[in-house]
Amino acid sequence: DAGVIQSPRHEVTEMGQEVTLRCKPISGHNSLFWYRQTMMRGLELLIYFNNNVPIDDSGMPEDRFSAKMPNASFSTLKIQPSEPRDSAVYFCASSSPFGGIQETQYFGPGTRLLVL
Amino acid sequence: RKEVEQDPGPFNVPEGATVAFNCTYSNSASQSFFWYRQDCRKEPKLLMSVYSSGNEDGRFTAQLNRASQYISLLIRDSKLSDSATYLCVVNTNAGKSTFGDGTTLTVKP
Repeated sequence: DAGVIQSPRHEVTEMGQEVTLRCKPISGHNSLFWYRQTMMRGLELLIYFNNNVPIDDSGMPEDRFSAKMPNASFSTLKIQPSEPRDSAVYFCASSSPFGGIQETQYFGPGTRLLVL
Repeated sequence: RKEVEQDPGPFNVPEGATVAFNCTYSNSASQSFFWYRQDCRKEPKLLMSVYSSGNEDGRFTAQLNRASQYISLLIRDSKLSDSATYLCVVNTNAGKSTFGDGTTLTVKP
């Protein structure tokens, strides 16, 4: 099993540019999560999908952020336009239910984003 | 108040020491509980689930107290390789996970 795959692993961009982060969850997992991690705020849940449907996007900072999951094997997180305060590590994670309760989340390696 | 709160740390202990981390959660509807470990510049990885009856995995013991909404992790005979940040995670039955801010452990020779 390849695990959760994220791309790119590192991204350096200039303020105002569009950034697209990509994630391929583990095959068979029906839930996908996007997190952002910074020293100041820790690990924050941005949005999560269940069976490709967004369930809770209350963590999305503002309208500049959007996420999609067009199918069970692919999701994107887009920031447009990007700002320096968006600099963080963005993790994607996936999980599958057990007994009706979501269980272990498996994280991808993360995308380190730096907005200049 | 945060939904999941952990000991602020950091914990600096010598090899062989026993160290305990605590975590409290505010949502009484929480259904499942976990401890994750995160190494520097790496992704979080599951260390162990936490069951109501308590569970042990080698040198690691996890406890859950639903009445007090409290979770703990005990590490015995700590090793240099245990140095990491330990994250308390609480899931609701709606599938939402909330992570604590983590407690950093450094085990020194």
